[in-house]
Amino acid sequence: DGGITQSPKYLFRKEGQNVTLSCEQNLNHDAMYWYRQDPGQGLRLIYYSQIVNDFQKGDIAEGYSVSREKKESFPLTVTSAQKNPTAFYLCATKGQGNSQPQHFGDGTRLSIL
Amino acid sequence: GDSVTQMEGPVTLSEEAFLTINCTYTATGYPSLFWYVQYPGEGLQLLLKATKADDKGSNKGFEATYRKETTSFHLEKGSVQVSDSAVYFCALSDLGWAGTALIFGKGTTLSVSS
Repeated sequence: DGGITQSPKYLFRKEGQNVTLSCEQNLNHDAMYWYRQDPGQGLRLIYYSQIVNDFQKGDIAEGYSVSREKKESFPLTVTSAQKNPTAFYLCATKGQGNSQPQHFGDGTRLSIL
Repeated sequence: GDSVTQMEGPVTLSEEAFLTINCTYTATGYPSLFWYVQYPGEGLQLLLKATKADDKGSNKGFEATYRKETTSFHLEKGSVQVSDSAVYFCALSDLGWAGTALIFGKGTTLSVSS
């Protein structure tokens, strides 16, 4: 079944702790993205990657880090430097070409303990 | 830079009412345009798209026409159902920005009552 798998669905972070959100895809897309969504707000781009071993900061990268060691995987780490991490995090992929849509996972909801 | 502006919600309708959610855009090139839907606690699902001027995208009774002269891509449905209650996002794709990440509007919440 093709698609994007985000895990876990719910995640809790303690103060001073780093947590990692998983995103795996089997769509064979080169481009992958991480977004943050807060209640009543739109999507804000955290990081994106167009190819393996390369990634770029989006609009709100501070307090986050990523890696892209494999085409299928684009994990996001929320570090202790991110002071307000409570949000819904969405991973997306995109095929090549301007007419291609982004495909989204089901999201991970991160909360502070 | 490129941007997308959607009408602010929430939009509250009775079942079987006509729906319009306005979306206008600013782009320097020739963007593709998309509508996504998000149900509570889920990711975004592609609803429809249009890739050039005068194209009409349609799916599940929803329609939107790419109007270059008015830079608009308004979403319409003739008769809404309670199950259509969700958040709707308009988006555009224009080569050269953030690895071709889509640019999203802020979303419009639709609530349909029976």
